[in-house]
Amino acid sequence: GIQVEQSPPDLILQEGANSTLRCNFSDSVNNLQWFHQNPWGQLINLFYIPSGTKQNGRLSATTVATERYSLLYISSSQTTDSGVYFCAVGRSTSYGKLTFGQGTILTVHP
Amino acid sequence: EAQVTQNPRYLITVTGKKLTVTCSQNMNHEYMSWYRQDPGLGLRQIYYSMNVEVTDKGDVPEGYKVSRKEKRNFPLILESPSPNQTSLYFCASGSLRGQGIWETQYFGPGTRLLVL
Repeated sequence: GIQVEQSPPDLILQEGANSTLRCNFSDSVNNLQWFHQNPWGQLINLFYIPSGTKQNGRLSATTVATERYSLLYISSSQTTDSGVYFCAVGRSTSYGKLTFGQGTILTVHP
Repeated sequence: EAQVTQNPRYLITVTGKKLTVTCSQNMNHEYMSWYRQDPGLGLRQIYYSMNVEVTDKGDVPEGYKVSRKEKRNFPLILESPSPNQTSLYFCASGSLRGQGIWETQYFGPGTRLLVL
């Protein structure tokens, strides 16, 4: 099956810093999503981004499908950004099937 | 309010006793999916459904069953639970604007299951 690797596994920031999270995948995909799980366990879908760039407030994401990676940018980080960030990918042959990376644990200190 | 609900939220059971975790969404979404989350293993998809009566396996379907008889409900059935199914389970739903464009996935609050 498709392999998904996220880096770094852990990231510690001071409030106000910027960060970049990376998601590498082993095969061509046409479904790529980023998720955030807050410290209370709630999961939120951040982006659907199989290619190109999207922005939502302080968060943006870029996927370079031909090179099999995606980046999630967090600018001016806040303590509420803490939690785990997952990327998940899927192929056109099994469109609804999603394989997740292991996640990046982000801690933002005040 | 748009939401995905799961019941029960917490469950302790014994090996072999059949159980069902219900999942319901009120957004008329075509897509629904079940995931399990385990320490060190992240999130893994169990089953998903692209629409009523259409279900397919995710990465870890063994030991689980699902059904999609109506659009809003997608129950997860453990016919004979075993301790290795102790986990945190999430249900999600999403809307597909045609083959290739996703709307946001919405997640339920999670069900924490302990199988003794």
